[in-house]
Amino acid sequence: NAGVMQNPRHLVRRRGQEARLRCSPMKGHSHVYWYRQLPEEGLKFMVYLQKENIIDESGMPKERFSAEFPKEGPSILRIQQVVRGDSAAYFCASSLSPGANVLTFGAGSRLTVL
Amino acid sequence: DAKTTQPNSMESNEEEPVHLPCNHSTISGTDYIHWYRQLPSQGPEYVIHGLTSNVNNRMASLAIAEDRKSSTLILHRATLRDAAVYYCILNDQAGTALIFGKGTTLSVSS
Repeated sequence: NAGVMQNPRHLVRRRGQEARLRCSPMKGHSHVYWYRQLPEEGLKFMVYLQKENIIDESGMPKERFSAEFPKEGPSILRIQQVVRGDSAAYFCASSLSPGANVLTFGAGSRLTVL
Repeated sequence: DAKTTQPNSMESNEEEPVHLPCNHSTISGTDYIHWYRQLPSQGPEYVIHGLTSNVNNRMASLAIAEDRKSSTLILHRATLRDAAVYYCILNDQAGTALIFGKGTTLSVSS
């Protein structure tokens, strides 16, 4: 069992470019959560998705950020027109059942915006 | 969401027990108590969770007060690898995500 796989592990983008972060949940898990951790800060919840549905996006910035979890393939967190303030570690987690029973986290994707 | 209060930091010596406290005086009857930890430069890691009774697993023990307004995560013998930020989180497991606070930064000295 490979666990939660995130890629890329490190991503460098220039201001104005797009960043796409991918997350493959653990086998059999259909619930995915994205969190952001700014340097020297705590984890902030962004969005909770189930296959093909967004369940809770209360932590997503209103503009430039979007997330999806298609029927086939990984979950994608997309950041359009990145700014320096988007530089952070983005963590994905998955769970077997709804309601964040036990979350398994990936190693994270570290985005640096130049 | 019900809130938790944890000390900002704690220190321990290697091979000694560590008791990490968490206060949650506004906990509701359906809230589970979850503990996660985050080692430096890594993703968070599940430690343990419980509802009313004390819980034990290979990593730690969770002692829950009778009135459920506080709990304690117990690491029986701290190792250098246990140095991490420990998060105490309440969740009613009704379809909502875990909300992380600032946690307790545990330092372990040899």
